[in-house]
Amino acid sequence: EAGVTQFPSHSVIEKGQTVTLRCDPISGHDNLYWYRRVMGKEIKFLLHFVKESKQDESGMPNNRFLAERTGGTYSTLKVQPAELEDSGVYFCASSQVRGGEAFFGQGTRLTVV
Amino acid sequence: GENVEQHPSTLSVQEGDSAVIKCTYSDSASNYFPWYKQELGKRPQLIIDIRSNVGEKKDQRIAVTLNKTAKHFSLHITETQPEDSAVYFCAASISHNNDMRFGAGTRLTVKP
Repeated sequence: EAGVTQFPSHSVIEKGQTVTLRCDPISGHDNLYWYRRVMGKEIKFLLHFVKESKQDESGMPNNRFLAERTGGTYSTLKVQPAELEDSGVYFCASSQVRGGEAFFGQGTRLTVV
Repeated sequence: GENVEQHPSTLSVQEGDSAVIKCTYSDSASNYFPWYKQELGKRPQLIIDIRSNVGEKKDQRIAVTLNKTAKHFSLHITETQPEDSAVYFCAASISHNNDMRFGAGTRLTVKP
């Protein structure tokens, strides 16, 4: 069974540009989460989808971040325009049921220069 | 909302010694406490978890304890090995939501 996949694995963009990250959850997992880890700090919750619906987006830092999950399959996280402080590793995770084990992708390392 | 604090941020032990990582949480409604291990360049992976209806859970060399009254939980690794070297994250969530809140991570180094 394929795990959670994310791409790109790395992205380097200039301040002010736009970047779109993609996450493909494990097939059949209704729950999809986005997290971010800024260097040396905690893995911070961004938002939670249940199928295509945003269940909780309280962790989204500001309106420069837009997450979508059309059709309830893969998800995208767009940052527009990117700022220096957006640099970090963006993780996606999925789980089959709420309260069940969350499986992580390998993350996308975003560097804004 | 939930706030999880994790200590220490770095931990270095000699091979064969034990390692203990501690976490505290703020939301008394949290009832699911997983621990993730992230090896260098790899994804975080669940190594053990505990739910609030038990106080301790063990799986070979790793164990987790939970004190709901004090709102803290700990990871214990015995007989550490170099391959235990990684960053460990604790997390807490209300299971029906599963939007986990993570600690800042502990970088464990096991010296051979």
